[in-house]
Amino acid sequence: AQSVTQLGSHVSVSEGALVLLRCNYSSSVPPYLFWYVQYPNQGLQLLLKYTTGATLVKGINGFEAEFKKSETSFHLTKPSAHMSDAAEYFCAVSGRGSTLGRLYFGRGTQLTVWP
Amino acid sequence: GAVVSQHPSWVICKSGTSVKIECRSLDFQATTMFWYRQFPKQSLMLMATSNEGSKATYEQGVEKDKFLINHASLTLSTLTVTSAHPEDSSFYICSARDPKALGETQYFGPGTRLLVL
Repeated sequence: AQSVTQLGSHVSVSEGALVLLRCNYSSSVPPYLFWYVQYPNQGLQLLLKYTTGATLVKGINGFEAEFKKSETSFHLTKPSAHMSDAAEYFCAVSGRGSTLGRLYFGRGTQLTVWP
Repeated sequence: GAVVSQHPSWVICKSGTSVKIECRSLDFQATTMFWYRQFPKQSLMLMATSNEGSKATYEQGVEKDKFLINHASLTLSTLTVTSAHPEDSSFYICSARDPKALGETQYFGPGTRLLVL
């Protein structure tokens, strides 16, 4: 079975500071991993994904995430936060086998960026 | 990236009426679409998986007779909330899986805000 844990429901940083959003997963098979961002009253936008190959994945808006199998983690980072980064971020793992295509979401992390 | 649209973006209806929400994949064909429900400050809850040309697969606890799903074409899935009640008020989001994208990537629509009075 697949599941996702996002540590910290709220993260606050100053503009220009490092952003680190944590995500740990459990999966019985090699996972596909995703980070999505949601702005108020909008759907989810794909930030980046890991499927195979290079474990450091670069996404849109300067975000990147590293797949660490030994730590079962897929933390999201951005070197310098911008005010426009304030949003809700969801980590997700894709199902396999009978649940192929199904996404299992974490509870989300609200990112606040202070000026 | 791929584009998924939803219509309407918001709807207000009276209790007891039915509401239809459309989900369209605009630039790719989606054999599989998903319907989610999101309560304020919470994550997405998968309601059902919609497969083109076949019956939808509903998650445990989701009433299939209340939430009717039709996936009549490779670019359109509809969710009909029948006999809506105030407790059905929520944010409904669809997604479509692009079979040509690696890793079972899903692209999400902008969501539909439903308010039942």
